[in-house]
Amino acid sequence: QKEVEQNSGPLSVPEGAIASLNCTYSDRGSQSFFWYRQYSGKSPELIMFIYSNGDKEDGRFTAQLNKASQYVSLLIRDSQPSDSATYLCAVNNENRDDKIIFGKGTRLHILP
Amino acid sequence: NAGVTQTPKFQVLKTGQSMTLQCAQDMNHNSMYWYRQDPGMGLRLIYYSASEGTTDKGEVPNGYNVSRLNKREFSLRLESAAPSQTSVYFCASSEFSGANVLTFGAGSRLTVL
Repeated sequence: QKEVEQNSGPLSVPEGAIASLNCTYSDRGSQSFFWYRQYSGKSPELIMFIYSNGDKEDGRFTAQLNKASQYVSLLIRDSQPSDSATYLCAVNNENRDDKIIFGKGTRLHILP
Repeated sequence: NAGVTQTPKFQVLKTGQSMTLQCAQDMNHNSMYWYRQDPGMGLRLIYYSASEGTTDKGEVPNGYNVSRLNKREFSLRLESAAPSQTSVYFCASSEFSGANVLTFGAGSRLTVL
């Protein structure tokens, strides 16, 4: 079992709707959770990180963390065609080491 | 303000040849990482270095060696390249500030024939 699991997609969402991306992880000691966006042929770039249970909002993006269920999600409100990309979930257990482990990513396609 | 610089950007090798991917960061970060990315596989950690003078294996270290030459530089060496090592390689660095946020280089596309 891979440490970080994501549905590979593609996930198709109409423009203006909410896109919901999900990620589960296996290490219960994980403390930091990251969402990166990667456009085709480019490097990943950070959208946001979260380390406390609950929600964290940044503009149109909301990260949600549930440590009891080992689940982290990313909501994108008012989806735009420019949001079409692969979204990578990453996890770090800083108490154990500095390893940052990624999921396989979810391809998101916003339909104009 | 260069961030993370990787060289070369593209390389074609024959099976059995060796090569070194270079990575340098100018952000004074302590931690540096090498990942590989294959279609449908996300990013897989090869090696990382939490500080100058230390290196640790990641998820897929076989066939690779690394050197943390100093705080700025972290190189990845393929001693005897194999077609299975055809991939895009990303170097990244981080400094803990609430969390280990990664800054990535532009990537190096390696093809092994």
